[in-house]
Amino acid sequence: DAGVIQSPRHEVTEMGQEVTLRCKPISGHNSLFWYRQTMMRGLELLIYFNNNVPIDDSGMPEDRFSAKMPNASFSTLKIQPSEPRDSAVYFCASRKRETGELFFGEGSRLTVL
Amino acid sequence: KQEVTQIPAALSVPEGENLVLNCSFTDSAIYNLQWFRQDPGKGLTSLLLIQSSQREQTSGRLNASLDKSSGRSTLYIAASQPGDSATYLCVLGEDMRFGAGTRLTVKP
Repeated sequence: DAGVIQSPRHEVTEMGQEVTLRCKPISGHNSLFWYRQTMMRGLELLIYFNNNVPIDDSGMPEDRFSAKMPNASFSTLKIQPSEPRDSAVYFCASRKRETGELFFGEGSRLTVL
Repeated sequence: KQEVTQIPAALSVPEGENLVLNCSFTDSAIYNLQWFRQDPGKGLTSLLLIQSSQREQTSGRLNASLDKSSGRSTLYIAASQPGDSATYLCVLGEDMRFGAGTRLTVKP
C-alpha cells in the first residue's frame, strides 16, 4: 500500500506568490493532519480533518493560510500571499481508523525568498 | 487543549547505556500515544504505538510504557548505539499534538 504522498517535495518561491501544497492520504484512513516544522517552533499542528471535515484549525497562523479536503483522497494547504517567515517543512499525515496510528508523508520544504 | 512536554530536551550518553526518555501530558483522554524518531533533515519514522487501553509496547531494544493516571509515557532504549542518535518525539490526543522532542546523541 502506498504511503502518504506529498507534493511538491521542494518549493522555492518569492514573497507574495501563492503556494499550494498537496497531500494524498493512505486509502481508508479517515483523519488527515497538516503540520509545520521549524527549528524555532518544532512541529506545530495547523489543521486536521475527520472524514473530510475540518475539526480544528486553531493552529492556522493567519488568514493567509487555508486548507481544504474536497474528498477522502486529496487535501491542499494554500498560502496566499506567501512571506519569508512561512519558510518551513510542511508535513501531512493520515491516521488509520482501526488503530489510531499516524502515518507521515515525506514533507514539503518551502523556501520563500 | 492538551499540553505535551518532553524532558530532557537533549541527552548525550556513551554507547551501551540504557536510557529513558519522558513524555508528559495534561489530559488523560489521550486517544493513543505514539513515539517517533526524526533524523536531521529527514521525515518522521514511527517507533511504537500505545493504544489508550494498553500499558506498554515493545519493539526490539525499545519499550514504551503508558501511565494515564500520572500523565506520563516513557520510552526505554536498551544498549544504546550511535545509530540511535536522533530526535525522539511523542504525539497523542484526538488532535495528535507533538511534544518538542528529546535530541539524543549516543557517543561511540
